[in-house]
Amino acid sequence: SQQGEEDPQALSIQEGENATMNCSYKTSINNLQWYRQNSGRGLVHLILIRSNEREKHSGRLRVTLDTSKKSSSLLITASRAADTASYFCATDASGAGSYQLTFGKGTKLSVIP
Amino acid sequence: GAGVSQTPSNKVTEKGKYVELRCDPISGHTALYWYRQSLGQGPEFLIYFQGTGAADDSGLPNDRFFAVRPEGSVSTLKIQRTERGDSAVYLCASSLYTLAGDVNEQFFGPGTRLTVL
Repeated sequence: SQQGEEDPQALSIQEGENATMNCSYKTSINNLQWYRQNSGRGLVHLILIRSNEREKHSGRLRVTLDTSKKSSSLLITASRAADTASYFCATDASGAGSYQLTFGKGTKLSVIP
Repeated sequence: GAGVSQTPSNKVTEKGKYVELRCDPISGHTALYWYRQSLGQGPEFLIYFQGTGAADDSGLPNDRFFAVRPEGSVSTLKIQRTERGDSAVYLCASSLYTLAGDVNEQFFGPGTRLTVL
């Protein structure tokens, strides 16, 4: 079953604009990760934020986490055509033995040159 | 070093046939995962190995699906009597994860696209 829901399902922007994607989840988590997927194949890990962190940066990426609202956002600044891909949030659940990642359905981002 | 590799990259088979999908994890990663991704969906968990043992196979959809990891490295996902509904991309991931509470960053392979005609 899918834990998270990304919003929007699809996003189209001009190159140079910022892109914001949101993710909501249902259960308590240890951490939340964002992945990128090109052409429906392998996923590339972008950034991980722990449940006790509120914001994290990596290059042009900024992730926020609000555990009270069970939501996260991914901001890509100064987007490039190469950022065109699907973006997924994945949660790593709390509790002993947590190991599997539970993914949302993804946001399909199109960056128009 | 090398990332996670999966073979074949594409597999086309006929309904009712048996298929094997292979995953080579990153060297030294003790944890290995199989996920399945249907069109327009996120990956869904199938099975998790810690070393040679299947620590959790609760995501396998039915008993036609089976996976092994006999030496704690390479894993094979086996699907018997394939059905059209099994068509999907099968993703393998590995990580250094060993204990609950560890940061579990999973590294994914490129996937095998299975098409059942």
